[in-house]
Parts: sequence; structure tokens; C-alpha cells
Amino acid sequence: GAGVSQTPSNKVTEKGKYVELRCDPISGHTALYWYRQSLGQGPEFLIYFQGTGAADDSGLPNDRFFAVRPEGSVSTLKIQRTERGDSAVYLCASSLDPVRGYTFGSGTRLTVV
Amino acid sequence: AQRVTQPEKLLSVFKGAPVELKCNYSYSGSPELFWYVQYSRQRLQLLLRHISRESIKGFTADLNKGETSFHLKKPFAQEEDSAMYYCALSGISGNTPLVFGKGTRLSVIA
Repeated sequence: GAGVSQTPSNKVTEKGKYVELRCDPISGHTALYWYRQSLGQGPEFLIYFQGTGAADDSGLPNDRFFAVRPEGSVSTLKIQRTERGDSAVYLCASSLDPVRGYTFGSGTRLTVV
Repeated sequence: AQRVTQPEKLLSVFKGAPVELKCNYSYSGSPELFWYVQYSRQRLQLLLRHISRESIKGFTADLNKGETSFHLKKPFAQEEDSAMYYCALSGISGNTPLVFGKGTRLSVIA
């Protein structure tokens, strides 16, 4: 596609439930990034893929968070046993050459009630 | 540790006035510095990067390694410049993920 696509745009879930957030990067972009943005904060790094493998997952807050990119294109961020503190906008970005910057999606707003 | 500090949460200026959005960083090495912008109801997008030394929409930013700063400047603010601005850094050649500041909201008053 022409840009980075994230689905769903909004997700409301109950505390304790499992959620999946999807990111469809720009075709050909080998690098894919997940960020989380809470109100009044800048984007906070979660995980970065180069191709199919997670090159850096140091930003994942705990083992409830997991992400995959099995074929090197679409990625899914998975959150188990959601907590109210997980409520945030989850941003995905992709890049062909990171030194030239990233292209961001419009984000998924996750609300845990 | 990598850190980006944007000391102002909100900056209000009158149309036509000069603008300076401050950014200071902490990084052990030679970072790549960027400014990203988010207009109302739009996605986060790249505004400019220091290695290209370009001017985008009249904005410029100079990397000052002595002061570890990368302030964003524009000589004459326009109403359409109102947005959230984020300073960000990565390792040389973009080999580490971007680290963002908390952002500054610029409000240009007519």
C-alpha cells in the first residue's frame, strides 16, 4: 500500500482479555517498529524487526507483550491479560533506510476497561 | 543512556514571530537527530533530519555537539505551523531505534 496501515484504529477490551494489533508496513520496507504513546508523552519504543527477526525487543515492558512478523511484512503485536495501564495509542512505523527516517501509521487506540 | 529532553510542553507565539523549539540530548557517540511533527488528526511524520541540512516548510535545525542541542527554528511562524513537535535521536546510520522526547505543542496565534 501507499502508507503504513494499522488495524483496528480503535480497540476497547476488558481487563484480563487478550488483544492483537496489526501493522501492514510499506511494501519493501525491511525495518518495522512498534511504539506506545501515552497521553502527554512521546512515543516509547517497544520492539524493532529487521526482516522476520526481532532485532531489538528491549522496550517490551513485560512478558505479557509479544510481537511477530513471520513473513517479513505484516506484524502483529499481542498483549495477554491486558491491564488498564496498557491503555495507550500503539504506533507502528516502517523504514527502508532508518537514517532517512520512519513512516508511521495512524495508530491503534487501545482502551482497557 | 540515550535521552531526549524537550523542556517546553507548550509554546505560544504570534503569527509572524520567530519560533525556537528546544531540544537537548544525551548520547554516548555520534547520534542522528530528527524532528517529527504531528498536525491535528494526522499521523506522525518526519519534518527534517540533521544529516540532510535541509529546510522544510521554513524550519531549520542545527546540531550543536558542544551544547548537545538540536533546536528547531523558523523566522516567521504561520498559523499552519500549529502542531505537536517531537525531537528524536538514533545511533549512527540509524542502527538503533528512535528515542523520542515528550514533545512540544506549538500554538501560533493569529
